[in-house]
Amino acid sequence: QKEVEQNSGPLSVPEGAIASLNCTYSDRVSQSFFWYRQYSGKSPELIMSIYSNGDKEDGRFTAQLNKASQYVSLLIRDSQPSDSATYLCAVSTSGTYKYIFGTGTRLKVLA
Amino acid sequence: GAVVSQHPSRVICKSGTSVKIECRSLDFQATTMFWYRQFPKKSLMLMATSNEGSKATYEQGVEKDKFLINHASLTLSTLTVTSAHPEDSSFYICSARPILGEETQYFGPGTRLLVL
Repeated sequence: QKEVEQNSGPLSVPEGAIASLNCTYSDRVSQSFFWYRQYSGKSPELIMSIYSNGDKEDGRFTAQLNKASQYVSLLIRDSQPSDSATYLCAVSTSGTYKYIFGTGTRLKVLA
Repeated sequence: GAVVSQHPSRVICKSGTSVKIECRSLDFQATTMFWYRQFPKKSLMLMATSNEGSKATYEQGVEKDKFLINHASLTLSTLTVTSAHPEDSSFYICSARPILGEETQYFGPGTRLLVL
């Protein structure tokens, strides 16, 4: 069974620090990877997508993908209390367009 | 861009009634829309994949006669919860995938259903 795993947390970091969120996946043919942020009681909002090995940066966010290790991560620099949310990793296999979601990591940024 | 709306945002109904939830892509066309449900403190569970003009594909364990999905146009999909019961109370979220081969899903704001 295809799986996506995340540490449920909570991950607590002080304001201004770097938060590192990790995700592993089991299906080697997975090709598309996404990070979503979900605030309590709200729906997920897209932070980043990544398709190729390496790093992809967007503002304070950097996604890292290592297909050989089946590992994708999200770094949040200069963490702010407003970043406190649950971060969902989603993996898609080309052609199906369906996501497999991880259980999410709850991030707490302490002021 | 890539805005998805849902209506209603919240609904309370009596047991045995049917509830329809609409999902619209406002500024793009979506060949595929997805319906999820989410229980408190749990991740999203895919219920079905909806393609414009064809029957929805349901995930294992999801009753297709209970959760009726219609995808009548490239911007609208509806989910009808038929004969709702308290155990159907949940947060229902739709997402839409733009038509141009992009794999990213954009999520609607969700509908919170409470069945009394």
